[in-house]
Amino acid sequence: NAGVTQTPKFQVLKTGQSMTLQCAQDMNHEYMSWYRQDPGMGLRLIHYSVGAGITDQGEVPNGYNVSRSTTEDFPLRLLSAAPSQTSVYFCASSSRLAGGQITYNEQFFGPGTRLTVL
Amino acid sequence: KNQVEQSPQSLIILEGKNCTLQCNYTVSPFSNLRWYKQDTGRGPVSLTIMTFSENTKSNGRYTATLDADTKQSSLHITASQLSDSASYICVVSEKGWGKLQFGAGTQVVVTP
Repeated sequence: NAGVTQTPKFQVLKTGQSMTLQCAQDMNHEYMSWYRQDPGMGLRLIHYSVGAGITDQGEVPNGYNVSRSTTEDFPLRLLSAAPSQTSVYFCASSSRLAGGQITYNEQFFGPGTRLTVL
Repeated sequence: KNQVEQSPQSLIILEGKNCTLQCNYTVSPFSNLRWYKQDTGRGPVSLTIMTFSENTKSNGRYTATLDADTKQSSLHITASQLSDSASYICVVSEKGWGKLQFGAGTQVVVTP
């Protein structure tokens, strides 16, 4: 199993450009999420999905869009990049325990995408 | 205000020595507390997960403790190795839909 994969590993954008960060997992996990990590701060949730066709906003969703057409893939789209979106982005996935106790399940993180917006 | 506070922000220890990292939280209602290890340039990797009823859990040379009454947790690293150099992140899960609150992490540097 490859686990959670993310592409690209590094990206530089100019202000106003758009792009899509890719995330895929091969563990058949229902739950997938996107976080951003900034220096001196904890990871912050951008968007999450509880299954194919279902997405919801996290703590810092502005400027980002997501979709979940398959169980495996959860791309994150930057609509019009801004310098404030310079960060390291992590995708994560987890499974659902029988009975729905999802909060106990271990989250598996991808290797991250380092994005710089000039 | 961050609901998960970690201390110290960073520390340097000699190879072979022990160290203890602290995590205080205000997250409520509490579901579980996790410790992650994040190597430079990599994603976080889970070390331990503890629920309300568990007050200690080990993973090799890592031992986590939890006092749910005082809302404090610690991560103890025994006989540190160079490979322990990393950021250690405390994460608390809320009961309900399971929102995760992340601490900012403690940066540990192990020197020869």
